[in-house]
This record gives sequence, structure tokens and C-alpha cells, in this order.
Amino acid sequence: AQTVTQSQPEMSVQEAETVTLSCTYDTSESDYYLFWYKQPPSRQMILVIRQEAYKQQNATENRFSVNFQKAAKSFSLKISDSQLGDAAMYFCAYRNSNSGYALNFGKGTSLLVTP
Amino acid sequence: DTGVSQDPRHKITKRGQNVTFRCDPISEHNRLYWYRQTLGQGPEFLTYFQNEAQLEKSRLLSDRFSAERPKGSFSTLEIQRTEQGDSAMYLCASNPLNTGELFFGEGSRLTVL
Repeated sequence: AQTVTQSQPEMSVQEAETVTLSCTYDTSESDYYLFWYKQPPSRQMILVIRQEAYKQQNATENRFSVNFQKAAKSFSLKISDSQLGDAAMYFCAYRNSNSGYALNFGKGTSLLVTP
Repeated sequence: DTGVSQDPRHKITKRGQNVTFRCDPISEHNRLYWYRQTLGQGPEFLTYFQNEAQLEKSRLLSDRFSAERPKGSFSTLEIQRTEQGDSAMYLCASNPLNTGELFFGEGSRLTVL
């Protein structure tokens, strides 16, 4: 079974600064998808960014970018110019491309943004 | 369309009672998923439907749990003879075919006393 590990239970960043959230995963597959989801307090989870494993180029969505290191099985999320609204739980997730459609989630990182 | 809708948002019940949660996915989405999330943990997969067919079930889904999606639209998740360990947030998500992104509802929080 694939496992997703987020080693940082909590992170803190000052407004306008940059923060990187870590994620590693374990898989024997070569083709898969990786995701970062954001879960604000008492609100639903929304997709932040996704990465297809076959793509070498790191995904970018506005202030959010990833550092995808396939050989190292690492998938970190960088948030630039942090805003107060970025405060939330962030979950890294993995999905096989060939078998099953369920996402495997990590335990999450709680991001605090200070003024 | 306003997204994935779940009902009720909160349910408090006594141990041994049955509870049922409902999920209305985004209308054109073929796939529907149920996840369970406990405090301090990421969501754990329970089961998944493609249209009305239940295609995958996690080992977490004990025989006290049953899920249905009778007409390929809304889904229900029933928990029989609830236990305190069932206390969690139950999340529903949906997506159309051939996309990896899941669209989540706000969840149904269950508290078993």
C-alpha cells in the first residue's frame, strides 16, 4: 500500500514571507498523481495544486508551487507571499493512475500565518 | 450548482443507535467517495462508487457500515450500532470521469456518546 508522510505537524510563517511544506511518499508505481489540498477551519477541502508523475516540470498555481523529486519520492509545497487566508491544514495526497481512484492522504500540516 | 452537499452537518447520538448520512454530489459527476477523518489525521478512504456501482471498499468499512448510491446520484452512508470509535468527520467527495481532482463537501460530524 502506498503511504504518504508529512513530517511537519505545524508550521508558522509571517505574512508576505515564503514557507515550504514537506511531503514524502512510498510507492512502487511509476505512474501516479500527487496533490496538495487545503482545509480551512470548518470548511471543505479544496485542491491547491496537482502534479502528474510523468511530467518533469514542477506544477505552479499563482503563489503555490511544488518541488517534485521523483527519485527521492518527495513532493513539497512552496507558498510565496503568504497571506492570512492561507492559514489552514494542508494535506498531501497520492493516487495511482492505473488502479483505483481513491486518494491516500498524509496526516496534514497545520499552517499558521502571523501578521 | 453549489458543489457537494452533505446532510446533516452534525449528528450526536448514543452508542448503539443507527445513523445515516446523505451526500449529494455535483450533478454531472459520475464518481462519489466516502472518507472518514478523525482529529489530527488525514482523511481515510472508506468506499467509492462509479454511478450506482460500488467499486471499492476499504477494510475500514466494517459490516456495521453500508453505503448506497441507488440511482447514481445521491449516496447514503449508514452506520449501525454506533460505537464511540465511530466519532469522526465523514467526508463525501465527487469527481467526473478521467480526472484526479476530488471535490469535497463540508462533511458530516458524528459524535457518539
